[in-house]
Amino acid sequence: QSVLTQPPSMSGAPGQRVTISCTGSSSNLGAGFPVHWYQQLPGTAPKLLIHGDTIRPSGVPDRFSGSRSATSASLAIAGLQAEDEAHYYCQSYDSSLSGWVFGEGTILTVL
Amino acid sequence: QVTLRETGPALVRPTQTLTLTCSFSGFSLKTTTMCVTWVRQPPGKALEWLALIDWDGDTYYNTSLKTRLTISQDTSENQVVLKMTNMDPADTATYYCARITGRGVIMFYSIDVWGPGITVTV
Repeated sequence: QSVLTQPPSMSGAPGQRVTISCTGSSSNLGAGFPVHWYQQLPGTAPKLLIHGDTIRPSGVPDRFSGSRSATSASLAIAGLQAEDEAHYYCQSYDSSLSGWVFGEGTILTVL
Repeated sequence: QVTLRETGPALVRPTQTLTLTCSFSGFSLKTTTMCVTWVRQPPGKALEWLALIDWDGDTYYNTSLKTRLTISQDTSENQVVLKMTNMDPADTATYYCARITGRGVIMFYSIDVWGPGITVTV
């Protein structure tokens, strides 16, 4: 069980907006470590979507956005498209574990 | 263009040592802020961080696996090797090597480029 908690699954219709949460604690997000988000399409390696809480790498559509508060973060996907169907993982650093940690992942289904 | 690729055995027997090699191009591990990390993913499960080596040769390990892991830079400057001892069927997974980099302290870094992964069955 990960120290970063994500909902196991979410779904939305094409064109809708969905928000995936990532909840941490005082030893990771609450300690100020940034959160990063990755998209993993079926059968492929993960891809960086958001880093440093809110920064989109070049080439990532602006439909994807990140936000955070003290001990939680969110990935929002606007204008859902069929190609967004994937697993999404949050990642940060945990000072208690002295290592980089991933959330359990959220599988997003586009209805 | 930054690329990474994992090579190694697809099948290992229980108790054996797994040796994986990450060959990369497009960056130098001698450049400040450049690091290489290993992440694994058991079938149908989440990603798990394993180990990291930074531009100074400093190494970091998942504490729950630390006694079994060794990460090192090969004599070839563009290769990083991960060794995992005493392999168990629970270690069956796809193993990814990746570049991890960023600004500020290393704990802030994100993985910006991933290799395609190698599936290892124990």
